[in-house]
Amino acid sequence: DQQVKQNSPSLSVQEGRISILNCDYTNSMFDYFLWYKKYPAEGPTFLISISSIKDKNEDGRFTVFLNKSAKHLSLHIVPSQPGDSAVYFCAAVLSGTYKYIFGTGTRLKVLA
Amino acid sequence: DVKVTQSSRYLVKRTGEKVFLECVQDMDHENMFWYRQDPGLGLRLIYFSYDVKMKEKGDIPEGYSVSREKKERFSLILESASTNQTSMYLCASRANTFGAYEQYFGPGTRLTVT
Repeated sequence: DQQVKQNSPSLSVQEGRISILNCDYTNSMFDYFLWYKKYPAEGPTFLISISSIKDKNEDGRFTVFLNKSAKHLSLHIVPSQPGDSAVYFCAAVLSGTYKYIFGTGTRLKVLA
Repeated sequence: DVKVTQSSRYLVKRTGEKVFLECVQDMDHENMFWYRQDPGLGLRLIYFSYDVKMKEKGDIPEGYSVSREKKERFSLILESASTNQTSMYLCASRANTFGAYEQYFGPGTRLTVT
């Protein structure tokens, strides 16, 4: 039972354009969401997070949007750069616990 | 910057061997995790440790054990390696602070059991 789903395994975007990565979840109890970026041969690195009391969080070129009614979050990267090419994982957690549920990842390729 | 290191990047072991994977973090984090990552399955939690000598089973603890004798070090032990334990193993740490949910990951150990 995949509680967190990233339905697009891959995405290609032109440099300078917007990249939108999507993530759906099924458990309405999740109240904290995170995005990680992973380069080949490296561990995931934390990118940005959002609490369920917010619907948007922004950090530089990265913005995460949360739609609780649709149980959907998205990561927007504007403008996209070739160095953003990586696998992006979303994760959901119930605050106060250690149980993170990760999506299977979306491979983003930013074309120069 | 938080640094999480893992003892080996690549490891090849034979079926039945006892395997030790070590993880060290330098940020005095209370919480540490061991995950395995397999294609199409995302990261799955093997074990979690919330403090020294304290541990909780994750979703797939069978065939694994852990040890946390010092705060900075969390070891994953495969008692008798099997081919279905061939995987990427990732260690992570996290501060035990309310509202701080970001985990910091090591580079991973790719284990092959033949």
